[in-house]
Amino acid sequence: RKEVEQDPGPFNVPEGATVAFNCTYSNSASQSFFWYRQDCRKEPKLLMSVYSSGNEDGRFTAQLNRASQYISLLIRDSKLSDSATYLCVAPRIGGSYIPTFGRGTSLIVHP
Amino acid sequence: DTGVSQNPRHKITKRGQNVTFRCDPISEHNRLYWYRQTLGQGPEFLTYFQNEAQLEKSRLLSDRFSAERPKGSFSTLEIQRTEQGDSAMYLCASSLGTSGGAGEQYFGPGTRLTVT
Repeated sequence: RKEVEQDPGPFNVPEGATVAFNCTYSNSASQSFFWYRQDCRKEPKLLMSVYSSGNEDGRFTAQLNRASQYISLLIRDSKLSDSATYLCVAPRIGGSYIPTFGRGTSLIVHP
Repeated sequence: DTGVSQNPRHKITKRGQNVTFRCDPISEHNRLYWYRQTLGQGPEFLTYFQNEAQLEKSRLLSDRFSAERPKGSFSTLEIQRTEQGDSAMYLCASSLGTSGGAGEQYFGPGTRLTVT
């Protein structure tokens, strides 16, 4: 089993829809996890940090479920500009914390 | 521009040649990461520095790969005797890491390597 798993999608949704992605992880006792957004042929950009208490930023909500070992990202009122690949990061403990990325979930928002 | 920069942006080389990439992190960031990304995959961790010390190196990284970060500022990644399988996007990221986690990373635009 991979350390961080994501459904690659694509998730194809209309504008205004609510969409949710999950990311499962193993082998991590980190206190924090992250969601990144990556546009085609661009570098990843930090979207949100995810803490035990969750995190909300406008239309985006991230949650951590330690018992089931997954993090989630909820996008409300989807915009065309939300179309991108969403990468989750679950730091793995080596000698120090090693960021381990999932393969990403592709989101396509259509008119 | 105070973001992470990488040079060159593109590199085409013949199999067997050596290549070197440079990364300039955000100046106040103490941590610097190198990743490799291929199409349809997430960034794959290669190595990581805290200041000038290389603290972690991926088990998947062959001896042909070496990285340095002299004086804890910019970093270089060298690939010796390149192979076609080395073709990928090489990403650098920096963060202001704390002892408790990896920190929020900021990525450079990447160097796209093509080995012919």
